[in-house]
Amino acid sequence: GAVVSQHPSWVICKSGTSVKIECRSLDFQATTMFWYRQFPKQSLMLMATSNEGSKATYEQGVEKDKFLINHASLTLSTLTVTSAHPEDSSFYICSSTTGGYNEQFFGPGTRLTVL
Amino acid sequence: GEDVEQSLFLSVREGDSSVINCTYTDSSSTYLYWYKQEPGAGLQLLTYIFSNMDMKQDQRLTVLLNKKDKHLSLRIADTQTGDSAIYFCAEIRTNTDKLIFGTGTRLQVFP
Repeated sequence: GAVVSQHPSWVICKSGTSVKIECRSLDFQATTMFWYRQFPKQSLMLMATSNEGSKATYEQGVEKDKFLINHASLTLSTLTVTSAHPEDSSFYICSSTTGGYNEQFFGPGTRLTVL
Repeated sequence: GEDVEQSLFLSVREGDSSVINCTYTDSSSTYLYWYKQEPGAGLQLLTYIFSNMDMKQDQRLTVLLNKKDKHLSLRIADTQTGDSAIYFCAEIRTNTDKLIFGTGTRLQVFP
């Protein structure tokens, strides 16, 4: 089946630093990737939709300069949290779709803790 | 409203059936999904139902769809301790690829 990986699984960083999270589709080409954010005991909130070779589409309320998304190839999308602050601490999950019945395949998530 | 609503918590005894309910918002949603999330992990697609279906059965899972009431349910037969997780329903909003997730139901199965 379709496998999506994320790296790293868990990152702890100091306030003010930038953190890059990678999302890879391992056995398929993903034209579209999605980035979600999940706070503890809450649902997933879509942050942005990224298409290979074009700019990401951000959801309302998500700062594009804060959360930089690069979808440089059909198998890799990256999310960079710039100048991270404690309120950015969250679980970030990516997913990708191959079309069909719109099934999205989810990565295992990256837990970001900003001190 | 815009929210996809679920009850927060459900606790059942091992071997009993579990029913998780979801109320969605977009009557034009083409697909509706159920996902499972174990602690600290991503989401696993359990099953989905196309909007022109009333019911779908897949082994221990039964999905019921009431389009009139915009109500979706997931029944897990013979619930096991390994079924303990958070379950999210999700809908695809019309003319988009966006998944809108429900608030999540934490299922706890005790021996």
